[in-house]
Amino acid sequence: NAGVTQTPKFRVLKTGQSMTLLCAQDMNHEYMYWYRQDPGMGLRLIHYSVGEGTTAKGEVPDGYNVSRLKKQNFLLGLESAAPSQTSVYFCASRRDTLRHQPQHFGDGTRLSIL
Amino acid sequence: AQSVAQPEDQVNVAEGNPLTVKCTYSVSGNPYLFWYVQYPNRGLQFLLKYITGDNLVKGSYGFEAEFNKSQTSFHLKKPSALVSDSALYFCAVISRGNNRLAFGKGNQVVVIP
Repeated sequence: NAGVTQTPKFRVLKTGQSMTLLCAQDMNHEYMYWYRQDPGMGLRLIHYSVGEGTTAKGEVPDGYNVSRLKKQNFLLGLESAAPSQTSVYFCASRRDTLRHQPQHFGDGTRLSIL
Repeated sequence: AQSVAQPEDQVNVAEGNPLTVKCTYSVSGNPYLFWYVQYPNRGLQFLLKYITGDNLVKGSYGFEAEFNKSQTSFHLKKPSALVSDSALYFCAVISRGNNRLAFGKGNQVVVIP
């Protein structure tokens, strides 16, 4: 079972460039999440989705956009990358509306903005 | 609002000794509580959760956690630490009226051979 797969695993961008991070899950989960992890700050929620065609803002949404056109995929876009967006990005999914269900995480995308 | 505090940045323990990683939380109403572990260059892996009922929760790899409502704590424990337990540990909470999981900042655990 693949679980949650993130592509790419690493990327270096120049300031002002754009890119899209892809998250794919094969568990038929309804909920999907994008987090960023920075040293000493834990995980911060960027955007999330409660189902196909839906998206919602999290704790730190500025500078990011998302789309959930298919249930299994959740895309995170950076329209104009800034050095402050240098981080490790994690995608996660949760089975359904039951809040005690654990989230399943991908292995992350390490993004550097020069 | 919901939040988690993990007061120690790093926990050092000798192999074979008991391991404790502390977590306190703040939510409105009854919480669901989780512990996750992260190994280098990997995503978070679920260890255990508290929903309701028995205050002592058992999870993967010999870990357990004790829920204490009066102290709003959910400390992670392992009776005998292994070198392979060296990792970053995250506590998380979600209230029953919220879609978002709130994570603590994480504790680096170092098990010394």
